[in-house]
Amino acid sequence: AQKITQTQPGMFVQEKEAVTLDCTYDTSDPSYGLFWYKQPSSGEMIFLIYQGSYDQQNATEGRYSLNFQKARKSANLVISASQLGDSAMYFCAGDSSYKLIFGSGTRLLVRP
Amino acid sequence: GAVVSQHPSWVICKSGTSVKIECRSLDFQATTMFWYRQFPKQSLMLMATSNEGSKATYEQGVEKDKFLINHASLTLSTLTVTSAHPEDSSFYICSALNRAGEKLFFGSGTQLSVL
Repeated sequence: AQKITQTQPGMFVQEKEAVTLDCTYDTSDPSYGLFWYKQPSSGEMIFLIYQGSYDQQNATEGRYSLNFQKARKSANLVISASQLGDSAMYFCAGDSSYKLIFGSGTRLLVRP
Repeated sequence: GAVVSQHPSWVICKSGTSVKIECRSLDFQATTMFWYRQFPKQSLMLMATSNEGSKATYEQGVEKDKFLINHASLTLSTLTVTSAHPEDSSFYICSALNRAGEKLFFGSGTQLSVL
């Protein structure tokens, strides 16, 4: 079974700076995927980035990159050049047959 | 544009009534859809997996008679909250699996308030 842990309930970052949101996972599945989603106050879930367990390289999508450290079972999200619009809840999720198990989330606030 | 449509976006109902929420994939066939529930300031909790043409698979602790799921077509799954009570008030969100592209798409969610 998957367990996703996000230990940062809230984070602040200065506009234009980079920020790292932590995520650790625990799974017995040999093959798994890790996702990051952004949830603004409107409630919609916005897909940001995906990392497969067998991917050799860390995933990147524009300003988002995933620092995947398999030995440490961590999949931290790095947001570079933060923008005011990045203020939102961020959820890390692990999948097992496309069933997503979510972490508790991190609320990010970008300061102008 | 949205590839998964969820309707309604919000609903207010009286205690004891039933509420139906629709999740529709717009431009792909979704044999599998998932229903999540999110209480304020909490994470999304998986409620059930909806399978087209067969019974839904419920997560532990989720009452199947309370939360009826029907996935009668390849593009539509419905969640009916039966005999709703104030403690059922929550944000409900669905996701649909596009197996062709192996991608998961979320609906925009439904805010349910039971008075």
